[in-house]
Amino acid sequence: GAGVSQSPRYKVAKRGQDVALRCDPISGHVSLFWYQQALGQGPEFLTYFQNEAQLDKSGLPSDRFFAERPEGSVSTLKIQRTQQEDSAVYLCASSSTWKGAEAFFGQGTRLTVV
Amino acid sequence: SQQGEEDPQALSIQEGENATMNCSYKTSINNLQWYRQNSGRGLVHLILIRSNEREKHSGRLRVTLDTSKKSSSLLITASRAADTASYFCATDMAGGGADGLTFGKGTHLIIQP
Repeated sequence: GAGVSQSPRYKVAKRGQDVALRCDPISGHVSLFWYQQALGQGPEFLTYFQNEAQLDKSGLPSDRFFAERPEGSVSTLKIQRTQQEDSAVYLCASSSTWKGAEAFFGQGTRLTVV
Repeated sequence: SQQGEEDPQALSIQEGENATMNCSYKTSINNLQWYRQNSGRGLVHLILIRSNEREKHSGRLRVTLDTSKKSSSLLITASRAADTASYFCATDMAGGGADGLTFGKGTHLIIQP
């Protein structure tokens, strides 16, 4: 595809439910990032993949958050036992080469935990 | 945690005027980037300036970087209604920082027609 694609665009989950958010990066992009953006704030880094290797997961807020990119393309961010404080927009970004290069962002998944 | 701090938090100007927003950061960087986010849309990359550069231009955008003051500014000239958006600076931290970009809280820019 032409850009980074995320699905679903909106997700409402009951507290305690597990959710899975999908990211299709730009084809051939080596680097993939997940960010969390709370209302009125800037995005906060969650985790970074270089191809299939998860090189940095220092931003994941708890062990309920898990991300994978098994074949070095599509990535899934999973949140187990969702809590109200997990409500946010989850953004995926990819870049063609090194981690500090220009990043291309998807439109995000807005997660609301009720 | 967010390293960048944009200033002002909100800015409202008339169409055709210039808009200037500033960003300060705390640690050494490899580069600094500016992004725009329209309501309901994703972030769009505007410009990247490396730590050894002092000024960069792209169309109506001008970015400066002062590493001694750990600050950057974004100037948008001849503003248009379509420039209404939130603008974020993001730093790629040098050394052993996180591998992702560190964003500020953003400046919300409103262009009055």
